[in-house]
Amino acid sequence: DQQVKQNSPSLSVQEGRISILNCDYTNSMFDYFLWYKKYPAEGPTFLISISSIKDKNEDGRFTVFLNKSAKHLSLHIVPSQPGDSAVYFCAAMGAGSYQLTFGKGTKLSVIP
Amino acid sequence: EPEVTQTPSHQVTQMGQEVILRCVPISNHLYFYWYRQILGQKVEFLVSFYNNEISEKSEIFDDQFSVERPDGSNFTLKIRSTKLEDSAMYFCASTYAGQGTYGYTFGSGTRLTVV
Repeated sequence: DQQVKQNSPSLSVQEGRISILNCDYTNSMFDYFLWYKKYPAEGPTFLISISSIKDKNEDGRFTVFLNKSAKHLSLHIVPSQPGDSAVYFCAAMGAGSYQLTFGKGTKLSVIP
Repeated sequence: EPEVTQTPSHQVTQMGQEVILRCVPISNHLYFYWYRQILGQKVEFLVSFYNNEISEKSEIFDDQFSVERPDGSNFTLKIRSTKLEDSAMYFCASTYAGQGTYGYTFGSGTRLTVV
């Protein structure tokens, strides 16, 4: 039961260009969305989040866009840097729940 | 920067044995969680814990699992009788606010191998 889907297992981007990571969800009860970055042998690190009442949230090089009608969100990284190379997880949470539902992740490689 | 500490980093155990995975959450955090990731699969929620009791648990968190905050700092996950399919990375996490508004802080994980 894939309530949160990241359909691209991997993405390669040139340094300095934009990285766009996509995520789709099926559960309309989700009202809070988060992006995590994970390096090998480390736990996920929180990057940025967005509430369902917003359509955009920006933090430095990272911007998350939410399209509720399409049940789609995306993470934009501009400009991409080699240190951004990691696995990126999309996660979602429903109102009143403490449970994060994760996607399978997208491995981003930023090529110098 | 404050961090969530997990020990051990890797544990190998025989099938049927009990294991205890340990976590020290961030000191002023109030909500505590365990997640796991089986190799090649998603990170999955196991349980959340607040005010010394379980707030929410998933279907994975059956009677073989238990959690405890034995003192003011540690948060443990016990698996009573391990099975081969319990082999996974187990991540502890904590937040100050339960809704994850500030983002969970995860530990580096314990890799559990059941043989």
